[in-house]
Amino acid sequence: ETGVTQSPTHLIKTRGQQVTLRCSSQSGHNTVSWYQQALGQGPQFIFQYYREEENGRGNFPPRFSGLQFPNYSSELNVNALELDDSALYLCASSFQGADYEQYFGPGTRLTVT
Amino acid sequence: QKEVEQNSGPLSVPEGAIASLNCTYSDRGSQSFFWYRQYSGKSPELIMSIYSNGDKEDGRFTAQLNKASQYVSLLIRDSQPSDSATYLCAGSSGGYNKLIFGAGTRLAVHP
Repeated sequence: ETGVTQSPTHLIKTRGQQVTLRCSSQSGHNTVSWYQQALGQGPQFIFQYYREEENGRGNFPPRFSGLQFPNYSSELNVNALELDDSALYLCASSFQGADYEQYFGPGTRLTVT
Repeated sequence: QKEVEQNSGPLSVPEGAIASLNCTYSDRGSQSFFWYRQYSGKSPELIMSIYSNGDKEDGRFTAQLNKASQYVSLLIRDSQPSDSATYLCAGSSGGYNKLIFGAGTRLAVHP
């Protein structure tokens, strides 16, 4: 069984640039959720993808967008990067449904300068 | 605003003692709760899930849920220095599994 993987591990971008983060879900899982974790805080829900469609969104602006592919892998895109976007971005995979456990990937550390 | 509240700590316990971590939540619609352990610089690792009132035990870990009081707890028996980490409490929200996390409690187990 393959766990959740994310790439890249670290990324440094300049304010105003765009970034794409990638996630491969654990084998068998059909749902991918993305979270942002600022230093010293708990993860905050960005959005969730199921059947290649956005299946719920947290309090994040439209410049945060995503995709899910037929193999259930996913991308998170952030446009017009701001300094406050510096955080650990976490992808979690699961089955669809409120009772299912979510398993996190190792995360991507994004630094915006 | 649906919230999950945790004491940020640090909670310091001696090796071999019981560590008790607590969490309260505001969304009465939340049905499922999860405890994650996060080592510094790493991603959260799921250690316990609990769905119904009462206790659930798994090895040295016991999760407790009281939906009437909107309270979740995690007990770690025979605490080890390797248990030193931040423990995140999360509840599901909405019809899909959006997790609402607390800010985490930092646990320090000293020899």
